[in-house]
Amino acid sequence: NAGVTQTPKFQVLKTGQSMTLQCAQDMNHNSMYWYRQDPGMGLRLIYYSASEGTTDKGEVPNGYNVSRLNKREFSLRLESAAPSQTSVYFCAHSGQGIMQYFGPGTRLTVL
Amino acid sequence: GQQVMQIPQYQHVQEGEDFTTYCNSSTTLSNIQWYKQRPGGHPVFLIQLVKSGEVKKQKRLTFQFGEAKKNSSLHITATQTTDVGTYFCAASTQGAQKLVFGQGTRLTINP
Repeated sequence: NAGVTQTPKFQVLKTGQSMTLQCAQDMNHNSMYWYRQDPGMGLRLIYYSASEGTTDKGEVPNGYNVSRLNKREFSLRLESAAPSQTSVYFCAHSGQGIMQYFGPGTRLTVL
Repeated sequence: GQQVMQIPQYQHVQEGEDFTTYCNSSTTLSNIQWYKQRPGGHPVFLIQLVKSGEVKKQKRLTFQFGEAKKNSSLHITATQTTDVGTYFCAASTQGAQKLVFGQGTRLTINP
């Protein structure tokens, strides 16, 4: 999986619960990303981090927070999950060439 | 924000037929990338196009970048069952570190 690990692989939450999705890459890349994928919507960027210590909002940041813990790790937190956040979440990373390497994804269901 | 429109959303072909997906933007793009996602999998990088009018080939796949750098296409000749999946274009504008993905074209093949 292109040097990316994501945990957990699957998660079911109740509305209002919180959770953190973890992502780690071992290619020493500066840039990391969080996307969500919904049927017919393609991949939408939630947050990204161009380098350690920096984060920026993407297209759909509402309801999420991120932490770039160090160069390897970039976590995504849902403080109060809602059914609209049911989705598949992908972490990705890239080096100088912008080409992105995607992790295996986390399938999240919010009841 | 920048949008990338991709058509068609779905395409079903007989094995051996050709397949084409198109990507269009209203703004001039710095580069465009193509990704493939197998069912249940994660997006995998195929290729990047940077130059106006650029054409690249990978075996049966032909990628084109328009002269105005506002559109791109992916053409598969004589499809095989291994080509099944969703094909995404992803584009960035000058100076942008993030990609905007098209909605994807889901290709299914009748053997």
